[in-house]
Amino acid sequence: EPEVTQTPSHQVTQMGQEVILRCVPISNHLYFYWYRQILGQKVEFLVSFYNNEISEKSEIFDDQFSVERPDGSNFTLKIRSTKLEDSAMYFCASRSGVTGELFFGEGSRLTVL
Amino acid sequence: GDSVTQMEGPVTLSEEAFLTINCTYTATGYPSLFWYVQYPGEGLQLLLKATKADDKGSNKGFEATYRKETTSFHLEKGSVQVSDSAVYFCALSDSWDDKIIFGKGTRLHILP
Repeated sequence: EPEVTQTPSHQVTQMGQEVILRCVPISNHLYFYWYRQILGQKVEFLVSFYNNEISEKSEIFDDQFSVERPDGSNFTLKIRSTKLEDSAMYFCASRSGVTGELFFGEGSRLTVL
Repeated sequence: GDSVTQMEGPVTLSEEAFLTINCTYTATGYPSLFWYVQYPGEGLQLLLKATKADDKGSNKGFEATYRKETTSFHLEKGSVQVSDSAVYFCALSDSWDDKIIFGKGTRLHILP
């Protein structure tokens, strides 16, 4: 069964460092998303991406965040200068253009010290 | 804006008990409604969905009915199993290609 894969599964970084979280969406999907879940809190929408550009972003997705699809397969989330409050589980998702179902990866846990 | 409210957890039940997890929503239009499940150490998986009023979504013995008059989408299962232990998220989307908005999640523990 096709799946969304994310790397790394866990990353520990120092405050102020840059972090790149990687995702490989399902190959024929067209819509891509990043969500995050701070421990014990709700899953929050960050950004959606379609046709090589951001289609929507939340208030959380400020100038410190960026997304890219550099090579047609990977979908990355970059945090330029991490803050303590960026510590969370980050989920990538991709959506079929046919069924509309959203498929999530297993998440990347980011810990900022 | 649109939002989802679901009952606080954790919910602890014995095997074969009846399960209800309440979920209500606020939306300006006619959203699609979802239940996602997150098993330990795994990502979010779609459990069931309903796209219009009075639709009933069902999967793996779980059911939820889209109630427009009460803006609710409660999750039910007649007889839970230990393997149902997970976190359950109620969610909505304004359209099939729009972002999904999640509730806070309800952790379910099933005791053998």
